[in-house]
Amino acid sequence: GAVVSQHPSWVICKSGTSVKIECRSLDFQATTMFWYRQFPKQSLMLMATSNEGSKATYEQGVEKDKFLINHASLTLSTLTVTSAHPEDSSFYICSAHKREASSSYNEQFFGPGTRLTVL
Amino acid sequence: AQSVSQHNHHVILSEAASLELGCNYSYGGTVNLFWYVQYPGQHLQLLLKYFSGDPLVKGIKGFEAEFIKSKFSFNLRKPSVQWSDTAEYFCAVISRSSASKIIFGSGTRLSIRP
Repeated sequence: GAVVSQHPSWVICKSGTSVKIECRSLDFQATTMFWYRQFPKQSLMLMATSNEGSKATYEQGVEKDKFLINHASLTLSTLTVTSAHPEDSSFYICSAHKREASSSYNEQFFGPGTRLTVL
Repeated sequence: AQSVSQHNHHVILSEAASLELGCNYSYGGTVNLFWYVQYPGQHLQLLLKYFSGDPLVKGIKGFEAEFIKSKFSFNLRKPSVQWSDTAEYFCAVISRSSASKIIFGSGTRLSIRP
């Protein structure tokens, strides 16, 4: 299988603090991981593309200094929400890109998500 | 810019009814198309995908989707729904030139009455 985990699954923090969310590919190597944000009853919005060993690529409108992404190994990417505020409260989901040898298509596998609540 | 449209925001059906969820995308090049499902409290799971070959794609749990290139559509169907199909359904597209970035539709919430 291809399993992606996220930790923590749920976090509550005070306004002004920083929160780190981990995304791990458990049984495969992922050179690319993606971070999404999902508001209640809305779709997933891509925030950034995380590439192992290089800087993340952020989507338009996403503050790179606010959402720090580190992809230090082939199985781990982290998203740090710095100086969190209530408007950062959301569901954050990562996905990991698994290359299939039999085709040029690279399937993405999604983590279970992390619910962040900033008080 | 690429976009994916799901016109049905909330669909309510009785068990055994037939289902069709609409999905249209806007991109003129070669695309890969997906349907994902998100059951309450769970993570996204891939239902089915299309990237070449037979435009009628069979997925898990009895779902299928048909790619109609001329209509830029990839509608999801199931002949007879079950209560356990209650979930949020997302259509998604990757263009071959977009470095594997998935663009999601807004989602359709499916509620099945037992």
